[in-house]
Amino acid sequence: DTEVTQTPKHLVMGMTNKKSLKCEQHMGHRAMYWYKQKAKKPPELMFVYSYEKLSINESVPSRFSPECPNSSLLNLHLHALQPEDSALYLCASSQDPTATYGYTFGSGTRLTVV
Amino acid sequence: AQSVTQPDIHITVSEGASLELRCNYSYGATPYLFWYVQSPGQGLQLLLKYFSGDTLVQGIKGFEAEFKRSQSSFNLRKPSVHWSDAAEYFCAVGVVQAGTALIFGKGTTLSVSS
Repeated sequence: DTEVTQTPKHLVMGMTNKKSLKCEQHMGHRAMYWYKQKAKKPPELMFVYSYEKLSINESVPSRFSPECPNSSLLNLHLHALQPEDSALYLCASSQDPTATYGYTFGSGTRLTVV
Repeated sequence: AQSVTQPDIHITVSEGASLELRCNYSYGATPYLFWYVQSPGQGLQLLLKYFSGDTLVQGIKGFEAEFKRSQSSFNLRKPSVHWSDAAEYFCAVGVVQAGTALIFGKGTTLSVSS
């Protein structure tokens, strides 16, 4: 298995909802990442998990809450989001946290906040 | 700190013509360099990567890139572009240091005309 699987592919949520994004990989990668991408922009790093521990939090608002229950799974819990949070949310993984091998990306979750 | 610049925001190439997308990086040592491609609404796919050794790197889909240390560049090339190559292309740089993540350029949009 050489893929990163993200679910759901599309999500519409209200500003008072709580939802979660899920990311899964079975390549034995030990680092996992959440990125946010707006249209026509590069991905912006949100969080990095290294060996299941949060190693980078790029000053992301607390309405985004990451979780790494095990080495294969990464969640992003969403609560009280704003319309400007609408974006493509990408998960990625890499063999190790040095980023030297490049990342394998999932196809993303298209989030719309209404 | 490392950085990466893609000077061209948008490039249009005729189908069958050759392509070169520019990427310049800033880093004190030899970085790890990557090119990713993203089709609309999709995740990022790794085209090729450079770590060390031969400065001409072959990738998937007929792409190649050349690392030029003297010019701090890692330009992507393809001898004959196909309409399906129309997409967003991102250059990225990584370093051998835990606690870091890939830095992406702003991207170049490639359009292919018939």
